[in-house]
Amino acid sequence: DQQVKQNSPSLSVQEGRISILNCDYTNSMFDYFLWYKKYPAEGPTFLISISSIKDKNEDGRFTVFLNKSAKHLSLHIVPSQPGDSAVYFCAASVSGGYQKVTFGIGTKLQVIP
Amino acid sequence: EAGVAQSPRYKIIEKRQSVAFWCNPISGHATLYWYQQILGQGPKLLIQFQNNGVVDDSQLPKDRFSAERLKGVDSTLKIQPAKLEDSAVYLCASSPQAGTSEKLFFGSGTQLSVL
Repeated sequence: DQQVKQNSPSLSVQEGRISILNCDYTNSMFDYFLWYKKYPAEGPTFLISISSIKDKNEDGRFTVFLNKSAKHLSLHIVPSQPGDSAVYFCAASVSGGYQKVTFGIGTKLQVIP
Repeated sequence: EAGVAQSPRYKIIEKRQSVAFWCNPISGHATLYWYQQILGQGPKLLIQFQNNGVVDDSQLPKDRFSAERLKGVDSTLKIQPAKLEDSAVYLCASSPQAGTSEKLFFGSGTQLSVL
């Protein structure tokens, strides 16, 4: 049972354009969402997060939008840069108690110069 | 600040052999996680420690996998005996404290190939 779904395995975007990565979740108990970025041969690194009390969180070129009614979140990268080429994982957890973070399968982003 | 350290970086073994992975979390981090990432999939939690106690091992194949966290710091994950389907990257992560929605800090992982 995949509780966090990333339905696009890959995405190609021209440098300077917007990249939009999507994520859906099925567990309505999830109230904290994170995006991680992973380069080859490295562990994932935290990128940005959002709590369910918000519908948007921004950090520089990265913005995460959360639509709780649709159980959907998206990561926007504007403008996209070649160094953004990586695998992006969406993750979700239930805050409080012993937090268990559940990951999606990832979307591979390629930014073309 | 030093990151999460893992060793070895790569390991190749034959099926039915044993293997062990080591993790040193970020100093002061109470929570330690072991994730398994099979090629083409997202990381799957195997076991989560809070200090030196296990708080979640529901997805750990306990007939062959074991893990311990000595004195609430370093941790080892062991597979005995290994199967072909255990080929994956084993990621260790740590966070300051569970239950506060803290982000996880990952090591570079150990890539295991079982032949």
